[in-house]
Amino acid sequence: AQSVTQPDIHITVSEGASLELRCNYSYGATPYLFWYVQSPGQGLQLLLKYFSGDTLVQGIKGFEAEFKRSQSSFNLRKPSVHWSDAAEYFCAVGAIAAGNKLTFGGGTRVLVKP
Amino acid sequence: GAVVSQHPSWVICKSGTSVKIECRSLDFQATTMFWYRQFPKQSLMLMATSNEGSKATYEQGVEKDKFLINHASLTLSTLTVTSAHPEDSSFYICSALSDSGNTIYFGEGSWLTVV
Repeated sequence: AQSVTQPDIHITVSEGASLELRCNYSYGATPYLFWYVQSPGQGLQLLLKYFSGDTLVQGIKGFEAEFKRSQSSFNLRKPSVHWSDAAEYFCAVGAIAAGNKLTFGGGTRVLVKP
Repeated sequence: GAVVSQHPSWVICKSGTSVKIECRSLDFQATTMFWYRQFPKQSLMLMATSNEGSKATYEQGVEKDKFLINHASLTLSTLTVTSAHPEDSSFYICSALSDSGNTIYFGEGSWLTVV
C-alpha cells in the first residue's frame, strides 16, 4: 500500500526567506507525486507533479520540487516566500496500479511572518 | 489548467434530510472522479471512486447506502448524503482525473452543516 509522510505539521517562515517542505512516500514502483496547496476553507490547487524524466520539477507560484528515489522523497521548495504563500500544503502519491487514487500526507501548515 | 466545479459551496440541512453535492469537470471529460472528506485541520480522506457508467467503489468503512454516488455523465458526479446527521457535517471535496489520465484536479469543496 502506498503512504505519504509529511514530517512537519507546522512551519513558520519570514517573508522573503526560503521554504522547504518535506515529503516522504512509500510505494513499490515509481509513483506519481503531487503537491497541492489549500487556503482556508477552499479546495486544493495543484502546484506541481512528477511522473518521470527530470527529477527537478517546476510548478506554479515559484515553487519547485525534487524527486529523490534513493531517499523516497519529494520535497517542495521556494526560494523567497510571500505572505500569500501562507496555507496548508499537501503532498500526495498516486499510481495507475492503484486506480489513480491519491494518498495524501497529513499536510504542513505554513505561517509567514512579516 | 483544468477546472473542476462543485455546487453548492456550502449547505445547511436539517437532521434526517438528504443533500446532494455536484461535481463537474468544466473543460474536460472525466471518466473517473473521486470524493473526499476533510475534517477541520486534518488531511483528506478518500471516500469513494466514481466511475462513469458504473457503480462507485467505496473505501473501507464508508457506508455506501449513506453516501450515494452517481456518475451519470463524463462531466458530472454527484454525492448524496442520505438521512444526514450532525456527525456528517464536514468539508467534502471532489476531484477528477484528467482525460490524459495523469493529473487529478480538485473542486473548491462543499461545506455541509447538519443541524
